[in-house]
Amino acid sequence: DTEVTQTPKHLVMGMTNKKSLKCEQHMGHRAMYWYKQKAKKPPELMFVYSYEKLSINESVPSRFSPECPNSSLLNLHLHALQPEDSALYLCASSLRDSNEKLFFGSGTQLSVL
Amino acid sequence: GNSVTQMEGPVTLSEEAFLTINCTYTATGYPSLFWYVQYPGEGLQLLLKATKADDKGSNKGFEATYRKETTSFHLEKGSVQVSDSAVYFCALSALEGSARQLTFGSGTQLTVLP
Repeated sequence: DTEVTQTPKHLVMGMTNKKSLKCEQHMGHRAMYWYKQKAKKPPELMFVYSYEKLSINESVPSRFSPECPNSSLLNLHLHALQPEDSALYLCASSLRDSNEKLFFGSGTQLSVL
Repeated sequence: GNSVTQMEGPVTLSEEAFLTINCTYTATGYPSLFWYVQYPGEGLQLLLKATKADDKGSNKGFEATYRKETTSFHLEKGSVQVSDSAVYFCALSALEGSARQLTFGSGTQLTVLP
């Protein structure tokens, strides 16, 4: 299994809603990442988990809350988002946090109304 | 800090044409270099990589050579296909502070016409 699986594929939410994005991998990778990608732009790093501990937070607003329940799962909890948060949210994993080879999921396309 | 500069797109080619997408980088130390590809509606996939000077990465007919003297990692393919239409990102992995970080270029949209 060489896949990173993200759910849901699409999400529409209002600014007062609470929702969660989910990511799963079964490759034994110990580093997992959340990226945000706007249309026609490169991905921007949001968070890095290494061995289930948050190791990098790129000054992301607190309305985004990551969680790593175990080595295979990564969640991103969303609350009180703004329309400018609409984007493709990509999860990725790698064997270690050295970033030498990332495996990306297909992403969740998020629209905030 | 570290940075990657890619040629501006979009690039439109006819099938079987030769492809070059230029990529240059600025980094401290000894970066690893990558090309990722993103097909419509999907995440990024690693296309090829090179970890030291003069290494050549290759995959699916694409090639790129790590040139330290010119700080470049240009992507080439001798004969493109319609199925190669995608966005291509050059990236480097290098130390940023105390951790290795992946830095992406801005991406180049490639469209191949039949």
